Amino acid sequence: AQKITQTQPGMFVQEKEAVTLDCTYDTSDPSYGLFWYKQPSSGEMIFLIYQGSYDQQNATEGRYSLNFQKARKSANLVISASQLGDSAMYFCAMRGYNTGTASKLTFGTGTRLQVTL
Amino acid sequence: NAGVMQNPRHLVRRRGQEARLRCSPMKGHSHVYWYRQLPEEGLKFMVYLQKENIIDESGMPKERFSAEFPKEGPSILRIQQVVRGDSAAYFCASSKEFNQPQHFGDGTRLSIL
Repeated sequence: AQKITQTQPGMFVQEKEAVTLDCTYDTSDPSYGLFWYKQPSSGEMIFLIYQGSYDQQNATEGRYSLNFQKARKSANLVISASQLGDSAMYFCAMRGYNTGTASKLTFGTGTRLQVTL
Repeated sequence: NAGVMQNPRHLVRRRGQEARLRCSPMKGHSHVYWYRQLPEEGLKFMVYLQKENIIDESGMPKERFSAEFPKEGPSILRIQQVVRGDSAAYFCASSKEFNQPQHFGDGTRLSIL
């Protein structure tokens, strides 16, 4: 079974500051992928960033970076230079690459980020 | 270059009616996934389909729910005899191959009166 834990139900950050959203995971699959999605108040799910378990380097996409610590089973999302438009719900998700688990994404409960002036 | 298209965006049904949710995957994608999001929760996997085949339905409720992805046309998630507890946002995602990132549609918000 796979499990994603997001322990921060809500976070505040000031505009232009960096913020880290925590995510820990548990899986028995030797190979897996970790994802972050953003869900603004309008409700759509926006893919942000992906990290493979065997990737040597931490993933980066613009202002988003993923702080992947395999031994700790953590995959924290770092948003640099926060903008008001970053206010949204953020979900961490994972997928194992065994045949039985490769099809489904397992999601955490999310962190609601509020960017303030 | 259209993304995953879901319709309707909002759907209201009375208890006992049927709900049909449609999903057209991104061009070139033949793998479709349905997820359900209850209020203030994360998404929960329901079913994974590839053209004309259900590959994994381990997250589907045993009764009243069914899904299909015909050779021609969109994928359909069908809920028969809806109940209040079916009120949720239903998201469809698609991928080119099963192990590639899933791209989501905007979801269908189902409300049961």
